[in-house]
Amino acid sequence: NAGVTQTPKFQVLKTGQSMTLQCAQDMNHNSMYWYRQDPGMGLRLIYYSASEGTTDKGEVPDGYNVSRLKKQNFLLGLESAAPSQTSVYFCASSYLDQAWSSYNEQFFGPGTRLTVL
Amino acid sequence: QKEVEQDPGPLSVPEGAIVSLNCTYSNSAFQYFMWYRQYSRKGPELLMYTYSSGNKEDGRFTAQVDKSSKYISLFIRDSQPSDSATYLCAMLNTGANSKLTFGKGITLSVRP
Repeated sequence: NAGVTQTPKFQVLKTGQSMTLQCAQDMNHNSMYWYRQDPGMGLRLIYYSASEGTTDKGEVPDGYNVSRLKKQNFLLGLESAAPSQTSVYFCASSYLDQAWSSYNEQFFGPGTRLTVL
Repeated sequence: QKEVEQDPGPLSVPEGAIVSLNCTYSNSAFQYFMWYRQYSRKGPELLMYTYSSGNKEDGRFTAQVDKSSKYISLFIRDSQPSDSATYLCAMLNTGANSKLTFGKGITLSVRP
């Protein structure tokens, strides 16, 4: 099993460009998450999806959109990239279809390092 | 006051030392307490989790939760260079306004 995979690993964008970060999991997990990690800020939740076809906002959703059309895939879109979105983005997945209502171990991908110039 | 506070570090210790990593929190609704380990340029991986107060041991690692003081600790005995990583505490509230909150992480370096 590959676990959680993310593409691309690195990306450089210019301000105003758009792009989609891709996440895939092969563990048949129901919930998936997108986080960003910035120095001194820790991990912050952008969006999550407790089941295929449903998504909910996290702590820092502005400037992002998500799509969960297939159970195994969770896409994070940047509509118009800004330098403030320079960060490392992590996707995670967990088995239960209840993201927070009980203990639900999250498995993380290797991250995408995004720089917006 | 932030919900979860973690010493910013970094922390450097010699091989074989006992390491103590700590987090404090303000939300008394947190019920599950986790420690994640993150190697450089990798994603976090769960090291240990504890439900409510008490201790949990796994090899050289011991997680301790004191809910009365709102304080959690991770102890690493006989630290090894391979323990060099960033350690993040995380806490889960499964009730009303359920959420998972991470600490900022502390980077540990174990010198051979």
